Amino acid sequence: DSGVTQTPKHLITATGQRVTLRCSPRSGDLSVYWYQQSLDQGLQFLIQYYNGEERAKGNILERFSAQQFPDLHSELNLSSLELGDSALYFCASSASGTKYNEQFFGPGTRLTVL
Amino acid sequence: AQSVTQLDSQVPVFEEAPVELRCNYSSSVSVYLFWYVQYPNQGLQLLLKYLSGSTLVESINGFEAEFNKSQTSFHLRKPSVHISDTAEYFCAVEENAGKSTFGDGTTLTVKP
Repeated sequence: DSGVTQTPKHLITATGQRVTLRCSPRSGDLSVYWYQQSLDQGLQFLIQYYNGEERAKGNILERFSAQQFPDLHSELNLSSLELGDSALYFCASSASGTKYNEQFFGPGTRLTVL
Repeated sequence: AQSVTQLDSQVPVFEEAPVELRCNYSSSVSVYLFWYVQYPNQGLQLLLKYLSGSTLVESINGFEAEFNKSQTSFHLRKPSVHISDTAEYFCAVEENAGKSTFGDGTTLTVKP
């Protein structure tokens, strides 16, 4: 158990819909990262937040957005969903946002778009 | 921009055989290098890391990796694998704070 929790575990929805994935970091960790893992694109870094502010951005679509709240939990919002958005979405956390961070991964949310 | 290439997508080996999972990276600056393991239906776990110092790094479960700057490689090795090592292995590079780039993964299947 990494100490990172993600809800829900599974999510099934239809194209065009909007969903919110939630992540609670390990106690004391200030940084949260979001990743998408799909069969055709592998593991892709989406975005990082550090203490409520966006720190780094990866291959995140404009239809996707994230935020980190004062209690340090984070949400990833996916809108106008397409079939290709079906994937495992991982959240990870680390102690700081400075160079070199051991990231602790949550169990993931499996999103299925029908 | 940094990139990571894992040269083998699938590596089948027999139990107690040695294994090497290959990883090459490209970056214009100094990087930190990582290997993560993902067991079925689980998230990723850090296996080992290279930050600086000795180029040979080891994990607690018998894996080791060697940072080779001239060849920009960070191959993962284990002299004798177990069935329980069956998993997907990801090589990752961190160049800028927080922004890691992962390889496509190598599925290691250990057969009895």
